[in-house]
Amino acid sequence: AQSVTQPDIHITVSEGASLELRCNYSYGATPYLFWYVQSPGQGLQLLLKYFSGDTLVQGIKGFEAEFKRSQSSFNLRKPSVHWSDAAEYFCAVVLINTDKLIFGTGTRLQVFP
Amino acid sequence: EAGVTQFPSHSVIEKGQTVTLRCDPISGHDNLYWYRRVMGKEIKFLLHFVKESKQDESGMPNNRFLAERTGGTYSTLKVQPAELEDSGVYFCASSLRGANTEAFFGQGTRLTVV
Repeated sequence: AQSVTQPDIHITVSEGASLELRCNYSYGATPYLFWYVQSPGQGLQLLLKYFSGDTLVQGIKGFEAEFKRSQSSFNLRKPSVHWSDAAEYFCAVVLINTDKLIFGTGTRLQVFP
Repeated sequence: EAGVTQFPSHSVIEKGQTVTLRCDPISGHDNLYWYRRVMGKEIKFLLHFVKESKQDESGMPNNRFLAERTGGTYSTLKVQPAELEDSGVYFCASSLRGANTEAFFGQGTRLTVV
């Protein structure tokens, strides 16, 4: 079945540690790829997106993501996590010739001091 | 510049009642989307307006849900009559040129049907 998978429901890291959140998609053609973050009481905010070109994408707040076609993955990374990064992170795709986001189930990040 | 605004932020209603959610998109954004997140599950697309026209309503669950966008500005999503399974967080988003550009989300309306 076509889907966006975020295998980690909940991740806990220490402040200053590195972070990688996983995202896989199962669609025939490479879709447009996005990462959104939702902080408590806030709406979803776009961190970064990939349409084409360089497979390593830089985003806001020090985040980056790497598109790997062979693995159908678009994992989100940050070298050093800050306490303010505690939030829920959503991977999403837009299929070519459509105009709607398809989301994964989200990964909740907890950061310990 | 104001972002996407949703009202109310929370709503608790009884099964069988009617609720209307409102979304004010960013000024000038022709594209407006409604999404819903049922607890513990993914955020799912409901429908998409381009100006006042429904471009895609394939995600609307059933005919108890009615969405309108008056004059291509704000949008309302009415649930009538509400059922228990309608509980969740309803998000509105707007974008300038479609979903392959940045979609700006509101903070959501948490609907609880009891």
